[in-house]
Amino acid sequence: QVTLKESGPVLVKPTETLTLTCTVSGFSLRNSRMGVSWIRQPPGKALEWLANIFSNDEKSYATSLKSRLTISQDTSKSQVVLTMTNLDPVDTATYFCARIFTYPYYFESWGQGSPVTVSS
Amino acid sequence: QTVVTQEPSLSVSPGGTVTLTCGLRSGSVSASYYPSWYQHTPGQVPRTLIYDTNSRSSGVPVRFSGSIVGNKAALTITGAQADDESVYYCVVYMAGGVWVFGGGTKLTVL
Repeated sequence: QVTLKESGPVLVKPTETLTLTCTVSGFSLRNSRMGVSWIRQPPGKALEWLANIFSNDEKSYATSLKSRLTISQDTSKSQVVLTMTNLDPVDTATYFCARIFTYPYYFESWGQGSPVTVSS
Repeated sequence: QTVVTQEPSLSVSPGGTVTLTCGLRSGSVSASYYPSWYQHTPGQVPRTLIYDTNSRSSGVPVRFSGSIVGNKAALTITGAQADDESVYYCVVYMAGGVWVFGGGTKLTVL
């Protein structure tokens, strides 16, 4: 059974750095057909794709947030980590990680989501 | 920057048929964008419905179908049920490993 579970702080102060971890089970991050994406949803707004990483360590980022995001993985721990710098209250959102397939490219399984509030 | 367009809201009667569309502000959505569709009820985990234009994800009822209609991707619900009331998102895959979500369509079943 494929599962993804997000973890990280619930409350972060403005200008701080957010670190979120996605721990996966039921599949290997070394699988060449798969990767992991991060997606977020601010309250009352649409889902927004943030970043993804594949088994060959190929990474890509949303253009508008590229300068603030870093995605990495530790295959031995089955974890994918997303860091976002210089947080602002507009970054308040629920952050999801999802398993992605290379060809055809889509989000196949989702985590439960991790709520993050940015406030002083 | 790529903008994916969706109807902000639609309504359908129980048992009726509704088509949600997914376009690009500049250009056409084709199968080469691997359009996919997700159902998301607030507070719940998004559910994958359709991928690669018209492939149903595991466990998704046959009343959900995907297609390309004209220059847009489309999600059709045939025989809508009350629990289909949700927000539906289209996603396209762009060159360079970038995904773009549409703004979502809030579907009301009434």
